Amino acid sequence: KNQVEQSPQSLIILEGKNCTLQCNYTVSPFSNLRWYKQDTGRGPVSLTIMTFSENTKSNGRYTATLDADTKQSSLHITASQLSDSASYICVVSDQTGANNLFFGTGTRLTVIP
Amino acid sequence: GAGVSQSPSNKVTEKGKDVELRCDPISGHTALYWYRQSLGQGLEFLIYFQGNSAPDKSGLPSDRFSAERTGGSVSTLTIQRTQQEDSAVYLCASSFIPGQGNYGYTFGSGTRLTVV
Repeated sequence: KNQVEQSPQSLIILEGKNCTLQCNYTVSPFSNLRWYKQDTGRGPVSLTIMTFSENTKSNGRYTATLDADTKQSSLHITASQLSDSASYICVVSDQTGANNLFFGTGTRLTVIP
Repeated sequence: GAGVSQSPSNKVTEKGKDVELRCDPISGHTALYWYRQSLGQGLEFLIYFQGNSAPDKSGLPSDRFSAERTGGSVSTLTIQRTQQEDSAVYLCASSFIPGQGNYGYTFGSGTRLTVV
C-alpha cells in the first residue's frame, strides 16, 4: 500500500534554531517527492521537488534530502524565523498515471521568540 | 490568472443545503484536482480533471458530491444536502502536465466549509 508518513507530528522550536522534519514513504514506483509549506488558512506552497537521482536540494534556508534506497526524505530548516511557523507536507508521486500523489499528514512547526 | 483562485474563501451553510465551490486554475493548466482537508488530517483526493473530462473521480465520498469543469478552465464542486461531516477545507490544485517530471502543482487557498 502506498503510504507517506511524517514525523514528528508537531514541533516547537526557538527562533534562530535549526530543525529537521522527516518523511518516510512506501510509494512505488517512485517518481518524485515534494515538500510543501502550508500557512494557516492558506493552500500548500511548493518548497522543493526532487526526483530519483537527486539527493539534496535547497531553497533558501530550506534544504531537502532524499535517500531513494531507504525511501526517506528530510527537510532541514536553518536559522528558523517566526514566519516558518506552518505545516510542512511531504508529497510523493508514483509513475502510474496522472492522479498519483500521496500526501503525508504534515508536521506542524511552531517557532517561538 | 497568476495563481489558483478559489471562492468563496469561507462558507457557512445549514445542514441539508446545497453548496457550490469554485476553482479558477492557472491559465493553460490542463490538469485540475480537488482535495479535502479535514482538521488535523492529510489531504484527501476527491476528483481529477484533464481538460473537461474527469478520468478519476474515485475520491468523491458519496453521490452527494459532484464536480464539473467547463472550457478546460473553471471547475465547480457541488455538495448536495450537506452534512456536518462535510465540514472541511476544500483545496483545488492545477498543473500543466499532470503528475509528470518537475512540473509542480499549484494550490489555491481553499474554501473553508462549515456545516451547522
